[in-house]
Amino acid sequence: EPEVTQTPSHQVTQMGQEVILRCVPISNHLYFYWYRQILGQKVEFLVSFYNNEISEKSEIFDDQFSVERPDGSNFTLKIRSTKLEDSAMYFCASGGVTNEKLFFGSGTQLSVL
Amino acid sequence: ELKVEQNPLFLSMQEGKNYTIYCNYSTTSDRLYWYRQDPGKSLESLFVLLSNGAVKQEGRLMASLDTKARLSTLHITAAVHDLSATYFCAVPNTGNQFYFGTGTSLTVIP
Repeated sequence: EPEVTQTPSHQVTQMGQEVILRCVPISNHLYFYWYRQILGQKVEFLVSFYNNEISEKSEIFDDQFSVERPDGSNFTLKIRSTKLEDSAMYFCASGGVTNEKLFFGSGTQLSVL
Repeated sequence: ELKVEQNPLFLSMQEGKNYTIYCNYSTTSDRLYWYRQDPGKSLESLFVLLSNGAVKQEGRLMASLDTKARLSTLHITAAVHDLSATYFCAVPNTGNQFYFGTGTSLTVIP
């Protein structure tokens, strides 16, 4: 079965540093998402991306966050100046059509020190 | 904002027993999804429920959707240890943004 791949699997950074989380969605999918999950808590929506632009974003997704699909295959999440509370597991997901389930990547565990 | 609640949050059950997890959501939706998450792992899709009255079964798990009551159930039959995981329901809004429930952490005890 096709899968969503994410790199790196773990990222440790200092507070105030920039990080870029990378994702390769399933190739024929059109909808792309970033979610995060703080340890032991529920999965929270960050942003959705369709037709090369953000279609929806949550309150969490403030000016410190940005997304890009630079080359038609990669989908990145950038956090410009990380805060301690950004520590979480970040999941990328993609979907083909509206009613279809979302396919999730294996996640990037971000630790901000 | 669409709210999705699950209960119970924690469930410890013996092997061989039956139990039901409930998922309530706050606004109209005709679709609902169930995911499983093992510790430290990603989310694995279990069921896609696309209409009122939809029922799907896979092994010892059966999911149903009542869109009028805004309720979905995940029924576990004759639980086995391999079913130990956290189970999330998710409801999409009109923009296909998925809102996840609080999760139910299931532990099956031999």
